[in-house]
Amino acid sequence: EIMMTQSPATLSVSPGERATLSCRASQSVSSNLAWYQQKPGQAPRLLIFAASTRATGIPPRFSGSGSGTEFTLTISSLQPEDFAVYYCQQYNNWPQSFGQGTKLQIK
Amino acid sequence: EVQLVESGGGLVQPGRSLRLSCAASGFTFEDYAMHWVRLTPGKGLEWVSGITWNSGRTGYAESVKGRFTISRDNAKDSLFLQVNSLRVEDTALYYCAKVSMGTAGAFDIWGQGTMVLVSS
Repeated sequence: EIMMTQSPATLSVSPGERATLSCRASQSVSSNLAWYQQKPGQAPRLLIFAASTRATGIPPRFSGSGSGTEFTLTISSLQPEDFAVYYCQQYNNWPQSFGQGTKLQIK
Repeated sequence: EVQLVESGGGLVQPGRSLRLSCAASGFTFEDYAMHWVRLTPGKGLEWVSGITWNSGRTGYAESVKGRFTISRDNAKDSLFLQVNSLRVEDTALYYCAKVSMGTAGAFDIWGQGTMVLVSS
């Protein structure tokens, strides 16, 4: 089973600033990596797939990068609605796996 | 509108069983692999199980292997998860999710979830 490790667990950033979230896989997942945003009481929302492709309707301030074992989600200028929990997911191998999440909170 | 609606959750005692259902609409269900994912307060999102479009392949997390069984009925646009021998640690909100591309990929559509509470 591939372990996904996200860092940091909690990130405090001010609105308008940049946020950088990291995700590391215990073995290569190629570019089969997705990022999701989840707010309380809501289902997860797909942001990025194939490591760097934005899903439909996702604003360009969200960007993903990386391949193999190291991945990054960057939010270029935080908006109030961006404060949430973010998860990475590898879908390269079964069993698939998620990271433990990064909580992005207002500083 | 593309939609997934889960049902079948509830309060159950340890060792008992439930059958979770997911009704799909707004897309050609038989063209897509489907998955179950659960959310727990302490662990976040956990992939539980997946099934290919034709049920030719199924997969399970180690934590549920041998106790949970995924299935689908393409004629009824429905996905199922039979959960047996429930444990307290299976308490979670269970989501069904559709893959973005037919056979594999990220999960682009999620239901709102059905809650399973395992307690004596």
